[in-house]
Amino acid sequence: QLVESGGGLVKPGGSVRLSCEASGFLFKNASMNWVRQAPGKGLEWVSSIGPISTYIYYADSVRGRFTISRDNAKNSLFLQLDRLSAEDTAVYFCARVSRTSAALDLWGQGTLVTVSS
Amino acid sequence: ILMTQSPATLSVSPGDRATLSCRASQSINTNLAWYQHKPGQAPRLLIHGASTRATGIPDRFSGSGSGTDFTLTISSLQSEDFAVYYCQHYINWPPYSFGQGTKLEIK
Repeated sequence: QLVESGGGLVKPGGSVRLSCEASGFLFKNASMNWVRQAPGKGLEWVSSIGPISTYIYYADSVRGRFTISRDNAKNSLFLQLDRLSAEDTAVYFCARVSRTSAALDLWGQGTLVTVSS
Repeated sequence: ILMTQSPATLSVSPGDRATLSCRASQSINTNLAWYQHKPGQAPRLLIHGASTRATGIPDRFSGSGSGTDFTLTISSLQSEDFAVYYCQHYINWPPYSFGQGTKLEIK
């Protein structure tokens, strides 16, 4: 399973670090993603990272402000969110890439980040 | 590649069939997934490869299509099936691109 944490209320311009703890599978072999859902909106892909961080990608909307990372020894995925604005308010989900396709076959329940003064 | 889902909302009675559509702005072959999402829960992979059910998904869920036009069919709707459904392409990912979702509601 995947369990996200770290969300909360953040002021505009502020920062927050999200965590996703994995269990029940070989985390070190999995490509991982962050996907977000703003209030009343659909799913938006945010960032991807390869199993040993050999590749990292970001959506245009977050590039230069968000940083994805992972610690395979701790079965954990992270997302550092900097220079936050109200448009970043969303539930952030971590999701695993399937080994048999590139679909996202395991998701966490998400953590809410609210950017407001 | 843009993904467009229709309709935005679909009202169906329990026991009836629901048909949801997804169109890609260019060919994605069969690199398409469908997800079910309920409020406060983790999204759930239903279909990958346009037509392959994910592990544990009941056979009342079926996917079809290739290229640009895809369909998710739910036969004999159960109460637990009322949710929002998203299609997503994964050709040449990233980025992943999701459709805007179809809300399946009880008629």
